[in-house]
Amino acid sequence: AQSVTQLGSHVSVSEGALVLLRCNYSSSVPPYLFWYVQYPNQGLQLLLKYTSAATLVKGINGFEAEFKKSETSFHLTKPSAHMSDAAEYFCAVSPTFAGGTSYGKLTFGQGTILTVHP
Amino acid sequence: KAGVTQTPRYLIKTRGQQVTLSCSPISGHRSVSWYQQTPGQGLQFLFEYFSETQRNKGNFPGRFSGRQFSNSRSEMNVSTLELGDSALYLCASRGGRDSNEKLFFGSGTQLSVL
Repeated sequence: AQSVTQLGSHVSVSEGALVLLRCNYSSSVPPYLFWYVQYPNQGLQLLLKYTSAATLVKGINGFEAEFKKSETSFHLTKPSAHMSDAAEYFCAVSPTFAGGTSYGKLTFGQGTILTVHP
Repeated sequence: KAGVTQTPRYLIKTRGQQVTLSCSPISGHRSVSWYQQTPGQGLQFLFEYFSETQRNKGNFPGRFSGRQFSNSRSEMNVSTLELGDSALYLCASRGGRDSNEKLFFGSGTQLSVL
């Protein structure tokens, strides 16, 4: 079974600093990986996805992530944090099997709360 | 276009009661998934429906059930509520003209069981 582990339940950065949120996955087959963001009192919004195409994936709001098979990682980065980036971020994996994947059935990490200080 | 709509937004029930939550997907989306979000367990998959058929099911007891109607709207039902069922229940839809891998989430229904 696939799983993801997010290192660090809380990350705090200054405005303008680099954002790095860590995610490691466990999968016996090439996974499909996602990063979602959740703002207070809202549902989740897709930031970016890796579906076996380019290993460096660019998403919305200036975020990007790099799929590294050798490290089983899919870390999320943003060069310069903005106050509006403060939210909870979730890494997720969708199960793959012979013949396809089940995009509706995601396994999420425990989430990382990002705080941005002025 | 209108997003995923979940009703009600907040719900308070007592132990032993049952509850029904509703989800209206984005127009054209035929797949609806449900997730439970709690501080302790995080986000957990409940089930997924496509064209009125349950496609996947998570590891939840039989008290949790769902269905999907011909217009793709979905409901989930929890019977004999327990205190541990208190959670944010999120619905997500996908499909139509949007990328099949992308889930669109509603704002959720916050259920409190007293």
